[in-house]
Formats: sequence, structure tokens, C-alpha cells
Amino acid sequence: SQQGEEDPQALSIQEGENATMNCSYKTSINNLQWYRQNSGRGLVHLILIRSNEREKHSGRLRVTLDTSKKSSSLLITASRAADTASYFCATVKNNNAGNMLTFGGGTRLMVKP
Amino acid sequence: GAGVSQSPRYKVAKRGQDVALRCDPISGHVSLFWYQQALGQGPEFLTYFQNEAQLDKSGLPSDRFFAERPEGSVSTLKIQRTQQEDSAVYLCASSLLGTSSTDTQYFGPGTRLTVL
Repeated sequence: SQQGEEDPQALSIQEGENATMNCSYKTSINNLQWYRQNSGRGLVHLILIRSNEREKHSGRLRVTLDTSKKSSSLLITASRAADTASYFCATVKNNNAGNMLTFGGGTRLMVKP
Repeated sequence: GAGVSQSPRYKVAKRGQDVALRCDPISGHVSLFWYQQALGQGPEFLTYFQNEAQLDKSGLPSDRFFAERPEGSVSTLKIQRTQQEDSAVYLCASSLLGTSSTDTQYFGPGTRLTVL
């Protein structure tokens, strides 16, 4: 079963606007990661935030983590048409020897040129 | 190649047929994972290998699913007597060590299985 929910499930914006996606999870985690998946392709790792971090930046990406609320958000600033994809959060649980990822249901982002 | 490769990319099977899906991880990567992704959903964990040892198979949905990695590199996911509910994209991922929770998993393009 999936770890949690992402919202919105779908998001459509104009090029240049910012896109914000939210993720909630259920169990205690070691870290939370965000992945992008283009249609018909595999997942690409975007960014990882550890459970003791609150915010992290990478280029146009900004990730926040609130462990008290068991939630995270991904902000993409100044979006481009090439950002059109599905975005998934994934968690690695504490004391998980295999470090397997538990994914949310994803947000389908469409950026219109 | 530099990335994780999977074959075939697409597979159509008649219900009841057996299928075998192949994953070539990044050379030297110790850990290998299989995930199943239903249409419109996020991937779900199936099984995990560290070298040739299958350390976790808790996500395999039934005993019709079997995975192996006999030499610690290439892995095969086999599904026996396929059912329509097996239709999904099967993703393989590898990571260098897998002993750290921060190790990045690199995903292949997936095999889209359609069971008629």
C-alpha cells in the first residue's frame, strides 16, 4: 500500500508560474525524496531531504519537510514547459534495512507554454 | 550503458502465460529493487536484492511472482500464469550500496506489461 497522499492530483499552470505540490505520509521516516517521471519513462531523482532538515534548495526546486505534520512540499519556481511530468514523493522508513522507497500517488503537472 | 536498462520495454501476454522481465543495473551497483506501478498510481515495492541475496520479498503480491539475481548483476522478474490484474509497469532500480538510506536509486525505463 502507498505511504500517503499527494495533492493536488493534477495541476495545470502557465509557463513562468510557480508550482507547489504537497505530500503527506504516515510513518516515521529517515528521509523523504522527490522524483519526476516523464510520460513512459522511469523515475528521476530530484532531491532528498533528511528527517532533521526543514528546507532544502536545488536550482529552481525548494523542498520543505514538517515531521510533526508528516508532510512535505515541493515548489518549482519559474516553471517551464519541460517541467511537465508526474512528481512523486517517496519516503525511506526508519530502521529499514533495505531502504526501499514508499511512494505517494503523485501529482501530474502540466506547464502550458 | 550508463544507466539501468530493462527489457522488453513492452510485453503483451495472454492470461495464463508466463513472462520474464529483465533488468540490467548500473555496473557495480550492489542493491537492486523491483517496483510495480499501476496506471495512474505511484510505484509499489516488490522485492530487494543485495548482490545475489534476496533480502526482502515482502511486496510480491502472490507466489506467482518470482525474482532472481543469481550472479549479483542482472535480475529477472518472472510472473507465472499471468492475470489481468498483473497489468502494470514494472520498474527496476539500482543503487551503489543500498546500505545507507540516502543512497540514490536509479530507475530503468520500465517494462509495460499488458495481460489480455
